[in-house]
Amino acid sequence: DAGVIQSPRHEVTEMGQEVTLRCKPISGHNSLFWYRQTMMRGLELLIYFNNNVPIDDSGMPEDRFSAKMPNASFSTLKIQPSEPRDSAVYFCASRSRGLAKNIQYFGAGTRLSVL
Amino acid sequence: KNQVEQSPQSLIILEGKNCTLQCNYTVSPFSNLRWYKQDTGRGPVSLTIMTFSENTKSNGRYTATLDADTKQSSLHITASQLSDSASYICVVSGEGNTPLVFGKGTRLSVIA
Repeated sequence: DAGVIQSPRHEVTEMGQEVTLRCKPISGHNSLFWYRQTMMRGLELLIYFNNNVPIDDSGMPEDRFSAKMPNASFSTLKIQPSEPRDSAVYFCASRSRGLAKNIQYFGAGTRLSVL
Repeated sequence: KNQVEQSPQSLIILEGKNCTLQCNYTVSPFSNLRWYKQDTGRGPVSLTIMTFSENTKSNGRYTATLDADTKQSSLHITASQLSDSASYICVVSGEGNTPLVFGKGTRLSVIA
C-alpha cells in the first residue's frame, strides 16, 4: 500500500481564496483524521471520521473550515475564505480497527501558506 | 485538563551518544501512550505504543519506558545516528473514543 496520500504537498494562496486539501486513506482503514501542525501549538486534531461519518469536529477552528468524507477512500478539508493565520501544515491520518489498533498512519502533509 | 508536556524542547547531541527524552501527562483515565518520530517535511511515524501494564518497550535503538503511577514516560535513544535527527512526539490516549492528546515534541539534532 502506498500509505496515506495527501495532495497538494504545498499550497500558496492569497487571503480570501478557497483552499481544498485532499486525502486518500490507507485501503481498509475505517477511521480518518485531519490535523493541523504549527510551531506554536504543535499537532491539533481538527476532525475525525469513523466509517465516513464525522464523529468529533470540536477542533475545527471556525465555520470557515469544513471537512467531508464522501466515501471510504477520499476526504477533503476546505477553508473558505482562507486567512494568513491558517498557514500551517495539515496532516491526514488513517487508522484500522485491526491488530494495529490505535496506531495512526500519517500522510506527508500539505504545507499551506496564505499570503 | 488533559495535557502532555515534553522536555526538553530541543536537544543537540554528538553522533554515537545516547539521549533521553521526557514526557509527562495528565490524561485520565489512561489507555495508552505512544511515541512518534517526525522527520522534517514528513508526517509522524509510530515508534512504540505502550499500555498501562507495560513498563518498557524497545524498537531497535529506541527504548520507551512508562510509569503509569507518576504519569511519566521516557524515550531513550542509544548510539545515536545522524538519521535520528527529527522531532519526537509523545501522544497519550484516554479510554473510549476520547481524542488523542499530543505533546509539542522534542526537536533532536544529531551532529557529526
